[in-house]
Amino acid sequence: GAGVSQSPSNKVTEKGKDVELRCDPISGHTALYWYRQSLGQGLEFLIYFQGNSAPDKSGLPSDRFSAERTGGSVSTLTIQRTQQEDSAVYLCASSPLAIGTDTQYFGPGTRLTVL
Amino acid sequence: EDQVTQSPEALRLQEGESSSLNCSYTVSGLRGLFWYRQDPGKGPEFLFTLYSAGEEKEKERLKATLTKKESFLHITAPKPEDSATYLCAFKGAGGSYIPTFGRGTSLIVHP
Repeated sequence: GAGVSQSPSNKVTEKGKDVELRCDPISGHTALYWYRQSLGQGLEFLIYFQGNSAPDKSGLPSDRFSAERTGGSVSTLTIQRTQQEDSAVYLCASSPLAIGTDTQYFGPGTRLTVL
Repeated sequence: EDQVTQSPEALRLQEGESSSLNCSYTVSGLRGLFWYRQDPGKGPEFLFTLYSAGEEKEKERLKATLTKKESFLHITAPKPEDSATYLCAFKGAGGSYIPTFGRGTSLIVHP
């Protein structure tokens, strides 16, 4: 079946511009996560959505970062006024979160380069 | 604070040379321990989930084991195509659904 998809696969932008990254989770998965992965670093948690509950935004590094999830499915991560330190691979994952099957399934990521 | 440490950071093996990767964690209660494989330029690919000490799971040349404080990913007779970064993550029993990831072990298998 279809896995998690993300778009665009690559994004090059200029410092100060806004960018939007999209994630299409696996159908039926109620949980959706955004992570950031910088070169040689581990996965940095950004934000978590679960069903209709309020999202857990505890990992967002600044108020320039925001995310929404429409209709419990597609999610968009927005970075305003991008900075060079925002350059990284942004990964999205979804999970069914049923007991015994709370494994995360990741998308291919969006590589963001801020010039 | 819950933490996870992976070792070694990097590992070079000859084809056929078996070895093990370690993932140690400090958490008050474990709800799940996860292993992923990540190839360059791609997202992590799920390998295994372990839920209780003593549990083992196998897939081809890989075998994951779990104790109360650590997990091992054993690689038997590796091939060059096993070269990748292997990530582990856990979820604690504190109620959070957000897993904590280690920094990974970069494995290179030489032919």
